[in-house]
Amino acid sequence: GDSVTQMEGPVTLSEEAFLTINCTYTATGYPSLFWYVQYPGEGLQLLLKATKADDKGSNKGFEATYRKETTSFHLEKGSVQVSDSAVYFCALSDTNAGKSTFGDGTTLTVKP
Amino acid sequence: DADVTQTPRNRITKTGKRIMLECSQTKGHDRMYWYRQDPGLGLRLIYYSFDVKDINKGEISDGYSVSRQAQAKFSLSLESAIPNQTALYFCATSRRDGAYNEQFFGPGTRLTVL
Repeated sequence: GDSVTQMEGPVTLSEEAFLTINCTYTATGYPSLFWYVQYPGEGLQLLLKATKADDKGSNKGFEATYRKETTSFHLEKGSVQVSDSAVYFCALSDTNAGKSTFGDGTTLTVKP
Repeated sequence: DADVTQTPRNRITKTGKRIMLECSQTKGHDRMYWYRQDPGLGLRLIYYSFDVKDINKGEISDGYSVSRQAQAKFSLSLESAIPNQTALYFCATSRRDGAYNEQFFGPGTRLTVL
């Protein structure tokens, strides 16, 4: 079945540091790929998405590129802020089946 | 106003009790989902429903049941709660005709079973 593997956390960075959170996937079809973010005490919310190979999703300074050849969707940000501290989930969606598969989540803490 | 609401937000109960968690949405979406979140295990799908008459088991449905009372309401029940059902539970919705199956989450219910 489908699966998503995320870089293990937690990740601790200083403000303005470069962020990479690795994500690889296994899927039988051609899924859409997502990054969701969960701030403390809240539900998950969509951060960015990409729907086909070589698409780049971007939002709030975060970017991720759908790499079909390496089955990856790594999340990057050039300069993190304290307010980026949250749990980040990589996910894929089998549009035909109407279900999503989530990674285990990576906790990011950004220190001033 | 929140588009996906969950009640209660927090609940402490005892082993063997029956518990119902409720989810309501104003997004007009056909599809609704229940997940549980445990530390280090990400989100796992319990049940999902594509419309009022279409309910499906997810990967961890044992010990749970659901009811889709209307398009906007999807309830999760624990028939006889046990301590390893202590977790954070999320309801989510998505559009039936959505090209990407983006999911919209409620704020979660923290359940503790003693």
